[in-house]
Amino acid sequence: KAGVTQTPRYLIKTRGQQVTLSCSPISGHRSVSWYQQTPGQGLQFLFEYFSETQRNKGNFPGRFSGRQFSNSRSEMNVSTLELGDSALYLCASSLEASGSQETQYFGPGTRLLVL
Amino acid sequence: QKEVEQNSGPLSVPEGAIASLNCTYSDRGSQSFFWYRQYSGKSPELIMSIYSNGDKEDGRFTAQLNKASQYVSLLIRDSQPSDSATYLCGSGNTPLVFGKGTRLSVIA
Repeated sequence: KAGVTQTPRYLIKTRGQQVTLSCSPISGHRSVSWYQQTPGQGLQFLFEYFSETQRNKGNFPGRFSGRQFSNSRSEMNVSTLELGDSALYLCASSLEASGSQETQYFGPGTRLLVL
Repeated sequence: QKEVEQNSGPLSVPEGAIASLNCTYSDRGSQSFFWYRQYSGKSPELIMSIYSNGDKEDGRFTAQLNKASQYVSLLIRDSQPSDSATYLCGSGNTPLVFGKGTRLSVIA
C-alpha cells in the first residue's frame, strides 16, 4: 500500500506570497493532520480534517488554512508568507480521527523556505 | 496547555548498549502514546505505540508507560549506529502533542 505523499517536496517563496501544499493520505485513511516542524519549536499541530470537516485547529494565525476533498486528499494554504513560516510541513494520515488509539503515519514533508 | 517534555540530548551511548529515552506528559486524560524516530532531513516514522500501563516489546525496542507518574519511556537494546536519530514522543488525544525530541547518538 502506498504511503502518504506530499507535493511539492521543496518550495522557495518570498515574503508576502502565498503557497498551497498538497497531501494524499494512505488509501482508506480518512483523517489528515498537518504539522509545522522548526528546529526551535519542534512539531506543532496546525489542523486536522476528517470527512471534509476541520475537526481541530492548532494555535496558528488565520493565514494558515486548509481543506479536505471528498477523496480525503488535503491541501493547506499559507497566505502573506513571513520569514518565520520557513519550516518543514508534515502531513499525517490515520484511518479515523486522530487521537484515541489511531496511529498517524507521516508523509515525507514539504520543505518551505521563505526569503 | 497540553505539553510533552523530553530531554533534548544529545544522548550518547556506545554500540551494543541500552539507550533509555524518557518523556513526561501533562494531560492526565491522554490515552495513547507514540514513539517516532526521525532521521536528519527525513519525516518521522512510527516505532511503537502504547496504550496501557506496563511494558510493550517489539524486537529491540521496549516502550514503558506509567500513567500514575505521567511518564513514558523507550528502551533500545543492543543499540546500533543506525539508531542514531531524533526520537519524538507523542501523547494522543485529539490532537497528537509531541515533545521536541531527544537526539540519540550511538557511537561505534
